[in-house]
Amino acid sequence: QQPVQSPQAVILREGEDAVINCSSSKALYSVHWYRQKHGEAPVFLMILLKGGEQKGHEKISASFNEKKQQSSLYLTASQLSYSGTYFCGTANNNNDMRFGAGTRLTVKP
Amino acid sequence: DAGITQSPRHKVTETGTPVTLRCHQTENHRYMYWYRQDPGHGLRLIHYSYGVKDTDKGEVSDGYSVSRSKTEDFLLTLESATSSQTSVYFCAISDRDPSYNEQFFGPGTRLTVL
Repeated sequence: QQPVQSPQAVILREGEDAVINCSSSKALYSVHWYRQKHGEAPVFLMILLKGGEQKGHEKISASFNEKKQQSSLYLTASQLSYSGTYFCGTANNNNDMRFGAGTRLTVKP
Repeated sequence: DAGITQSPRHKVTETGTPVTLRCHQTENHRYMYWYRQDPGHGLRLIHYSYGVKDTDKGEVSDGYSVSRSKTEDFLLTLESATSSQTSVYFCAISDRDPSYNEQFFGPGTRLTVL
């Protein structure tokens, strides 16, 4: 079952902050975050694992609430380069990755 | 950037014809995946491979088959293409259990079935 992302779209001015949420109805081993620019492949941002370990982008932060099966991606002091579609992916057993429908982020000057 | 190529990059075909998409990697990664991407659905897993000749189905595998005879190549075949299979197809690779490690995506193949 696909994780649910919110909001579906958000528009920011440069320097503003945004939060993108991801929730699942199933118990999770990990949550993955990717960003995709128009016409390009998705690019890895971060993985959050059960137990609190994180791997990923130095300038991006995220949280993972294992009990609620939820994750949030925090984009602070947004830059124009942050524009794109953000996907969360969830893994609840080996190799079974499911991605959300995406959140389109637009950063304007 | 991880060495992943997909071919062809664009293809237009007719309903009922077989189509094969190729994913080629130079990273010697164990895991390989095929996803399709459609508006409103994000990325959906079609099939994946966890080693040579070891493959399994994903959530949208009907109408698709795969083969992996070499570490570097993962082929996706649409046995008899339908218009509902018009999509952008992405291949991804991972060197370790992708539940806990990042995936690297190829550039994608845009397939149109008329």
